[in-house]
Amino acid sequence: DTEVTQTPKHLVMGMTNKKSLKCEQHMGHRAMYWYKQKAKKPPELMFVYSYEKLSINESVPSRFSPECPNSSLLNLHLHALQPEDSALYLCASSQELNTEAFFGQGTRLTVV
Amino acid sequence: GESVGLHLPTLSVQEGDNSIINCAYSNSASDYFIWYKQESGKGPQFIIDIRSNMDKRQGQRVTVLLNKTVKHLSLQIAATQPGDSAVYFCAENIGQAGTALIFGKGTTLSVSS
Repeated sequence: DTEVTQTPKHLVMGMTNKKSLKCEQHMGHRAMYWYKQKAKKPPELMFVYSYEKLSINESVPSRFSPECPNSSLLNLHLHALQPEDSALYLCASSQELNTEAFFGQGTRLTVV
Repeated sequence: GESVGLHLPTLSVQEGDNSIINCAYSNSASDYFIWYKQESGKGPQFIIDIRSNMDKRQGQRVTVLLNKTVKHLSLQIAATQPGDSAVYFCAENIGQAGTALIFGKGTTLSVSS
């Protein structure tokens, strides 16, 4: 299994809603990542987990809250988002930091 | 701040031609580089990687070249096919604790048949 699975594929939420994005991998990878990608732009790093501990937070607003319940799962909890947060949210994993990273297909988020 | 960049935002080639996509990086501490392909509506797909102790690495129809002297990375695609049409990103990692892959701006490759 060489897949990173993200759910849902699409999400529309209001600015007062609370929702969660989910990411799962069964490759035994110990590093997991959240990236945000706006249209026609490169992915931007948000968070990095290494061995289930938050390793990097790229000054992301607190309305985005990551969680790593175990080594296979990574969540991104969303609350009180703004329309400008609409983007493709990508999850990735790698065996360790600084090794080959595999990406999921992303969640297309629209905030209305 | 320092970041990975690309020379050209778009590249158009004919089917069967060889394609060369370039990337310049500015962080001399970067020691690991990956090329990704991203098709519309999909996540980035790993193509090939290279570490700074190498200057060339070959895969199936693809070759990555690394020139540390001028901080330049390139991806060569042999016999380009319409299915190669996508956005190509180079990404770098400076290999220290507390770092992760940082992406360059991307080159859109269009292959016409």
